[in-house]
Amino acid sequence: DVKVTQSSRYLVKRTGEKVFLECVQDMDHENMFWYRQDPGLGLRLIYFSYDVKMKEKGDIPEGYSVSREKKERFSLILESASTNQTSMYLCASRNPGLAGMNEQFFGPGTRLTVL
Amino acid sequence: ELKVEQNPLFLSMQEGKNYTIYCNYSTTSDRLYWYRQDPGKSLESLFVLLSNGAVKQEGRLMASLDTKARLSTLHITAAVHDLSATYFCAGYSNSGYALNFGKGTSLLVTP
Repeated sequence: DVKVTQSSRYLVKRTGEKVFLECVQDMDHENMFWYRQDPGLGLRLIYFSYDVKMKEKGDIPEGYSVSREKKERFSLILESASTNQTSMYLCASRNPGLAGMNEQFFGPGTRLTVL
Repeated sequence: ELKVEQNPLFLSMQEGKNYTIYCNYSTTSDRLYWYRQDPGKSLESLFVLLSNGAVKQEGRLMASLDTKARLSTLHITAAVHDLSATYFCAGYSNSGYALNFGKGTSLLVTP
């Protein structure tokens, strides 16, 4: 079974702090993703990485950065946390390919509160 | 960009009844995904529909895909309380990387 883990289930930070959210997958997947989920807005893609050291902006990258130094690990960084970044953050991974199912597997989520 | 619309967004149904959740999407897509989310939890993959006419069944849930109509359905048969959750459909945008999700259907099954 694919396993995607996230470093924290719940996190409380103060405005202006630098925040690191870590995600690790154990299935050697090439692609990894960070989404945020908000009531009424659904899931929105922040950033994704299609390979080690490669990253692409998603729909809402402002205020975030990412790092992927190793294939299994994808980090989301909030450079200076703000209250509007209070949200549920979900990490996902997949193996791409036209013939494949291209299914994304999600981690348990990190509920971040910025005070 | 693929836009995904689900309806209804909220559904309260009695145990034992049948119902269908609809998922319309805006541009051509040859595959469609259904996920389930329990409150406070992450997304669990339910079905991957890979081609026109695809039908998948798991227990009381059955999903189908009509690519010509750009429509997927999730049919619930003889609902039970354990099916209470939020159900999302999703499809890939043109880039092939971003999964675009519908807003979700929040299902409550009552006795």
